[in-house]
Amino acid sequence: AQRVTQPEKLLSVFKGAPVELKCNYSYSGSPELFWYVQYSRQRLQLLLRHISRESIKGFTADLNKGETSFHLKKPFAQEEDSAMYYCALTDGGATNKLIFGTGTLLAVQP
Amino acid sequence: GEEVAQTPKHLVRGEGQKAKLYCAPIKGHSYVFWYQQVLKNEFKFLISFQNENVFDETGMPKERFSAKCLPNSPCSLEIQATKLEDSAVYFCASSQSGGRAQPQHFGDGTRLSIL
Repeated sequence: AQRVTQPEKLLSVFKGAPVELKCNYSYSGSPELFWYVQYSRQRLQLLLRHISRESIKGFTADLNKGETSFHLKKPFAQEEDSAMYYCALTDGGATNKLIFGTGTLLAVQP
Repeated sequence: GEEVAQTPKHLVRGEGQKAKLYCAPIKGHSYVFWYQQVLKNEFKFLISFQNENVFDETGMPKERFSAKCLPNSPCSLEIQATKLEDSAVYFCASSQSGGRAQPQHFGDGTRLSIL
């Protein structure tokens, strides 16, 4: 069954430190993976998707099929990066519903 | 509109009452999704629509939950005879098309509290 695992509920780092939010998935086939972010009192919004290979707000994520991972990275954390981060993949059927991980709360300390 | 609009923001109902939630997708988006977020941040897919047609309803508890997307009206999610376990935040999302790589755009959610 398709599954997304985010092993860390909370990740606390200091401003300027590197950040890596872990995401592992279970999927048979070629997955479509996304990172969504939810800032305090704001709606869930798309941060990036692996198909675009883009960098948004300094974040990148590389799909590693061998390790079935899609970790989110940023070299230097900023206080405004503090938010809830969700990794998700699209279901393999025809319906493209999202399967979410349980999220990681990133807290960037000054 | 340019954002998914969900109403109301909060809804409080007594156990056994009916609850109805609304979602207006982004203009031009033909797919609508409903998700339920309960404690521990777990999102559960409920149902999706392609325009006014049900696309996937595999996540819907069919006994009490129903949903519609009618032309020229917001989509709706209705829960009959609510139970305490229905307390959750219900998110609606829309996407432009049905491709697997298509991003879904989320509304602010409706927080449903069953007392």
